[in-house]
Amino acid sequence: QQPVQSPQAVILREGEDAVINCSSSKALYSVHWYRQKHGEAPVFLMILLKGGEQKGHEKISASFNEKKQQSSLYLTASQLSYSGTYFCGIVITGNQFYFGTGTSLTVIP
Amino acid sequence: GAVVSQHPSRVICKSGTSVKIECRSLDFQATTMFWYRQFPKQSLMLMATSNEGSKATYEQGVEKDKFLINHASLTLSTLTVTSAHPEDSSFYICSAKSTGSREKLFFGSGTQLSVL
Repeated sequence: QQPVQSPQAVILREGEDAVINCSSSKALYSVHWYRQKHGEAPVFLMILLKGGEQKGHEKISASFNEKKQQSSLYLTASQLSYSGTYFCGIVITGNQFYFGTGTSLTVIP
Repeated sequence: GAVVSQHPSRVICKSGTSVKIECRSLDFQATTMFWYRQFPKQSLMLMATSNEGSKATYEQGVEKDKFLINHASLTLSTLTVTSAHPEDSSFYICSAKSTGSREKLFFGSGTQLSVL
C-alpha cells in the first residue's frame, strides 16, 4: 500500500532546485505532501485532488497525474528551512491514509 | 486552524507495563483518527484506522491485542500499548480527519515511547 518515493535522499546548495517523486501501485483518490523535521510531527504542505492538478505553496509546488498514479513535488530556489524529510501521502479508499517511503532533503549554505 | 492534542509527549516505562496515549481533537469533530508508528529514519507506518463508535481497523502485521485502540467519542481516541517490550520503543503519532477541510489531516505532536 505504501507509495514509493524517489530519490531517497538529496543534498542541495541554497538556491538550487529539487524534484521529489511519489509513485503508487494503487489508484489514487488524492495525494498529500508533508515535511517533517527531526523529532517533530509532519507539517502539511498541500493536497492535490484532481488528475493533472498543480498547486503551489511559497516556492514549493506539486503536480498529480492521476492516470499514472504519480505525484511530484517541486522545490525551487531552496532555502535552508526546506531541510527535512518529505513524505507524500495517499488516500486509496475513502478512509485509509498511507505515507510514502520518504525523501530526506538537506540544504547546505 | 484545527488542533490535535496528543499526550504524553514522552514516556519511559519498564518492560511489561502498559502505556496509554491520548489523542484529542480540540476544536473539531473527528470521525476518523489514524495511528502511526515511526522508527528512526523511517517513514510513518499506519497501524490502524479508528472510527468513532466502532472497532478499529488494523493494518496487516499489527497485533490488535497488543495495541488497543479506543475511539469512544468524536474528539478522543486512545492507543494503549499493552505489556510493552523494548522493541515497542518508537515514535507514535496520531492524526485526525476533519471532513470540513478537504480531507486534510491534522497531526498530534507525537509520543516518544522508550521501554527499558
